[in-house]
Amino acid sequence: GQQLNQSPQSMFIQEGEDVSMNCTSSSIFNTWLWYKQDPGEGPVLLIALYKAGELTSNGRLTAQFGITRKDSFLNISASIPSDVGIYFCAGAQGGSEKLVFGKGTKLTVNP
Amino acid sequence: GAVVSQHPSRVICKSGTSVKIECRSLDFQATTMFWYRQFPKQSLMLMATSNEGSKATYEQGVEKDKFLINHASLTLSTLTVTSAHPEDSSFYICSVRGRNEKLFFGSGTQLSVL
Repeated sequence: GQQLNQSPQSMFIQEGEDVSMNCTSSSIFNTWLWYKQDPGEGPVLLIALYKAGELTSNGRLTAQFGITRKDSFLNISASIPSDVGIYFCAGAQGGSEKLVFGKGTKLTVNP
Repeated sequence: GAVVSQHPSRVICKSGTSVKIECRSLDFQATTMFWYRQFPKQSLMLMATSNEGSKATYEQGVEKDKFLINHASLTLSTLTVTSAHPEDSSFYICSVRGRNEKLFFGSGTQLSVL
């Protein structure tokens, strides 16, 4: 089936640093979503992108929908300890309600 | 507040028993709900699409007789893992497509089969 390549797999950063992660695909997606998952919980939607080239912010988070519609990135600025968790990208293709998820980026923030 | 309620959050059962997981849409009527499975340190994989009033649509490789889905009302979908075995141990998550086409997730159910 369809796959999203998410990188990096894990990140260890100091509090206050900026973070960047991305997802790429060989196929075109019409929707890109970024989720955060805390241990033992379900994913929570952070940012949704619906248009190629779209750049959207949510507080310290910024995500962009790539022009080619085959990639997206998520930036976190001035990281804080509560940013710790696993971040997933997800994509949906035209007319489909099914989401394909990346394998996640595990973020660790050292105080 | 929560948009999707999933219950139970954690269940431990003996091999061979059946386990039912509930997913409720709290704020709106949902004709379609989705069931995902997540193995440790893996991503979420769609198992099936639950359709209110009709049969669920299963993804390739997912046994429909083992994972029974019932979407009897516009606010409730249930997933029953029948004759559970240790390899069925996983984190199961439901989701609902809400207003503005956003997808909301339940808090998940950790199933451990002994």
